[in-house]
Amino acid sequence: ELKVEQNPLFLSMQEGKNYTIYCNYSTTSDRLYWYRQDPGKSLESLFVLLSNGAVKQEGRLMASLDTKARLSTLHITAAVHDLSATYFCAVANAGNMLTFGGGTRLMVKP
Amino acid sequence: DVKVTQSSRYLVKRTGEKVFLECVQDMDHENMFWYRQDPGLGLRLIYFSYDVKMKEKGDIPEGYSVSREKKERFSLILESASTNQTSMYLCASSYLTGTNEKLFFGSGTQLSVL
Repeated sequence: ELKVEQNPLFLSMQEGKNYTIYCNYSTTSDRLYWYRQDPGKSLESLFVLLSNGAVKQEGRLMASLDTKARLSTLHITAAVHDLSATYFCAVANAGNMLTFGGGTRLMVKP
Repeated sequence: DVKVTQSSRYLVKRTGEKVFLECVQDMDHENMFWYRQDPGLGLRLIYFSYDVKMKEKGDIPEGYSVSREKKERFSLILESASTNQTSMYLCASSYLTGTNEKLFFGSGTQLSVL
């Protein structure tokens, strides 16, 4: 059974600081996703990572994947208030179904 | 833009009622999904459908059923609602482009069962 764990579950940080959210998963997978959810809104796709060593960046967010360690990271550089949201990672299993992590609620304080 | 529309944003129902949650997508996607979202548990898959009249159980199907009579519409049914089914329900649809499947989510239905 595929299990996906994120940490931290809650993160409060100051604007301008850097931080990393971690996503560990328990079985081999060839696809990992990062989603963002704003309060009261639905999930928005951020990144799809398909291979070991994959790195994708958009703005202040950078996601990477290490399939050997079964670990993905979402790195936030010089955080701004607009990045406050809940971030989910999701891992695809062999049957093409996604298992989601518990989410990381990020609050960036001015 | 892909649009996934859930019919209700908020619903309040009583224990034992039959509840229908409707979801419609406008991009001719084959795959449709129902998740529930609970704090600290992330999203958990209830059912999914990969074609009209086809359905597969997800991780937590107990207490739920689904219906997909038309490609664009996927309904989640709570036959007899219980308080532990109070949750946020998210519908999603997807297409496959090689291995790069991408989910598009509706805005969710917050269901409260009293």
